[in-house]
Amino acid sequence: GQNIDQPTEMTATEGAIVQINCTYQTSGFNGLFWYQQHAGEAPTFLSYNVLDGLEEKGRFSSFLSRSKGYSYLLLKELQMKDSASYLCAVRALGTGTASKLTFGTGTRLQVTL
Amino acid sequence: DSGVTQTPKHLITATGQRVTLRCSPRSGDLSVYWYQQSLDQGLQFLIQYYNGEERAKGNILERFSAQQFPDLHSELNLSSLELGDSALYFCASNSVGAGELFFGEGSRLTVL
Repeated sequence: GQNIDQPTEMTATEGAIVQINCTYQTSGFNGLFWYQQHAGEAPTFLSYNVLDGLEEKGRFSSFLSRSKGYSYLLLKELQMKDSASYLCAVRALGTGTASKLTFGTGTRLQVTL
Repeated sequence: DSGVTQTPKHLITATGQRVTLRCSPRSGDLSVYWYQQSLDQGLQFLIQYYNGEERAKGNILERFSAQQFPDLHSELNLSSLELGDSALYFCASNSVGAGELFFGEGSRLTVL
């Protein structure tokens, strides 16, 4: 099975930097994903890590340590529109074309003035 | 726009009834996934289909069933509905070997 933990809520100030952590336990690891979800809307893909290290994409970066079962999403130069839930998801080794993602419960980020 | 289309967007029905949710994947995607998201809950994986065949199953209730048709669209059937089935139901698709899932806008089901 898989277990994914991330903080329930975080608050940060506009223009600041925030780091959202995610820890996971899985019987077979095949990639970690971060999604953004505004309330009542579809999740949208932010980043993907399968090897250790940092992946940078504009204001968003994601880090992975497979040995520690740990990832974080770093958001820089926060904007009000970044207020959303951030979902950590893990893909386990599957057979053939089975490749579902297991999601954490998400971290609700509130950006304030 | 992810390219994944779900209908209906909203659905209100009564306990004991049956509903069908429909999903059209992105052009060229063979895999379809169904997820349930209840209020303040995470996305719960229900079932995956690949090119018409079931590939993976999550904690899907026996009252729920799904299928993927030859044109690759998928339907999720929910029967004997209970109040607790009220949720957002998301469909997602991807290509074989591609990591990320592309989600539709969801179908919001309210059971009264």
